[in-house]
Amino acid sequence: AQSVTQLGSHVSVSEGALVLLRCNYSSSVPPYLFWYVQYPNQGLQLLLKYTSAATLVKGINDFEAEFKKSETSFHLTKPSAHMSDAAEYFCAVISGGGADGLTFGKGTHLIIQP
Amino acid sequence: DAGVTQSPTHLIKTRGQQVTLRCSPISGHKSVSWYQQVLGQGPQFIFQYYEKEERGRGNFPDRFSARQFPNYSSELNVNALLLGDSALYLCASSQSPGHLAKETQYFGPGTRLLVL
Repeated sequence: AQSVTQLGSHVSVSEGALVLLRCNYSSSVPPYLFWYVQYPNQGLQLLLKYTSAATLVKGINDFEAEFKKSETSFHLTKPSAHMSDAAEYFCAVISGGGADGLTFGKGTHLIIQP
Repeated sequence: DAGVTQSPTHLIKTRGQQVTLRCSPISGHKSVSWYQQVLGQGPQFIFQYYEKEERGRGNFPDRFSARQFPNYSSELNVNALLLGDSALYLCASSQSPGHLAKETQYFGPGTRLLVL
């Protein structure tokens, strides 16, 4: 079984400030982890993914995430928030052969204050 | 290259009716997955298809069914619609399920279904 918990349904930061979105996972086998972003009335766009290579993963638009097995975490960060980062962010896990599909967290709504 | 396309974009149905949603994967992608996203929640996995075979199924009732065609496009069917089926239905494609766990799933814009 696999599951994802995203801490904080809403996160508000000032433009230019550090963005930190938290994700903890549960998986009985080594997981693969993803962060997706969803803009209003759109589908999901992949930001980055962890597939058991480097634990620090860099993605698009200066986002990065670090896989910490001891903490079962995969938090998403960005050094400097931009107004265009305002969106819904989803952490997802998949494991084993992948036949169970991606399991998503409930999402975190990122608000950027000017 | 075109991304994943879905049709229709919006749909309104009444309880008890049946609906068919369509998805065309990215060219060269052989695997299609379907997800349901209820307002305010993360997407939930419904089905995964590869080479016209069902490879995975989420915790959804038998009212939900799907199929994949030789050109790798897919249809999702929902019978006897309930109010709770109102959601955004997302289709995702990937190149193959051989290492699906690692492969990126590329999502379409979704079909928004409203059941009245």
